[in-house]
Amino acid sequence: KQEVTQIPAALSVPEGENLVLNCSFTDSAIYNLQWFRQDPGKGLTSLLLIQSSQREQTSGRLNASLDKSSGRSTLYIAASQPGDSATYLCAVRAPPGSQGNLIFGKGTKLSVKP
Amino acid sequence: NAGVTQTPKFQVLKTGQSMTLQCAQDMNHEYMSWYRQDPGMGLRLIHYSVGAGITDQGEVPNGYNVSRSTTEDFPLRLLSAAPSQTSVYFCASSYSTSGRSQETQYFGPGTRLLVL
Repeated sequence: KQEVTQIPAALSVPEGENLVLNCSFTDSAIYNLQWFRQDPGKGLTSLLLIQSSQREQTSGRLNASLDKSSGRSTLYIAASQPGDSATYLCAVRAPPGSQGNLIFGKGTKLSVKP
Repeated sequence: NAGVTQTPKFQVLKTGQSMTLQCAQDMNHEYMSWYRQDPGMGLRLIHYSVGAGITDQGEVPNGYNVSRSTTEDFPLRLLSAAPSQTSVYFCASSYSTSGRSQETQYFGPGTRLLVL
C-alpha cells in the first residue's frame, strides 16, 4: 500500500530564507506527483505537477524535484515571504488503469515570520 | 469557469439525520472524487467516478453513497449521520484518469460538517 510521508510536520522561518520541504513515498510506481498549498479554512490549490518521467518543475519561486527510484520529492521555495505561510501537501497518483486517485501526505505547516 | 463548486459551506447535523453534499464542475472533467480531511489523518478518498454512470469506492466509503448522472455533478449522500463523520469534505475533479500529460486535480473550497 502506497504511503506518503512529509517531513517536517511544521516549519517556521524568517522572511527571505530559502527552504526545502520533503516528501517521500513507499511505492515508486507512480504516475505523477503533485504539490498543493492549503490556506487555513480553504481548499487545495495545485502548485506544481511532476510527471513520473520528469525530474523537476519550476513555477516562479517554487521548484519541485522528483527522484522516483528513491521515492522522494522536494519542494524548494526561494526567498520566502509571509504570504507563503500555509500548509503544503504532497500527493502521488497511481498509474493509469488503477483507481487514479491521489494519496496524500499529512502536510508541512509553514510559517514565514516578517 | 467557476471551477469546482461545493454547497453548503458549513452544515450542522444531528446523529441519524441524512443530507447531501453537492459538488459541481464546469470544466467537462471525466474524473471526480470526494475526500475527507481530518486532523492527523490527512485527506482520504471516499468515493470516485471516472465518468457519468460509473462510481467506485475509495479508502473510506462506509456511511456514504454517491451517484453520477451527469458529467457536471457528483453529490455525496450521508444516509444516517454519525459523529465520526464530522470532518471537512472536499470534492475534486480532473480531465481524465489516463492518457493525458496534464492531469492536475482541481479542488473545491470544501464543506465543513459537524455531527452532534
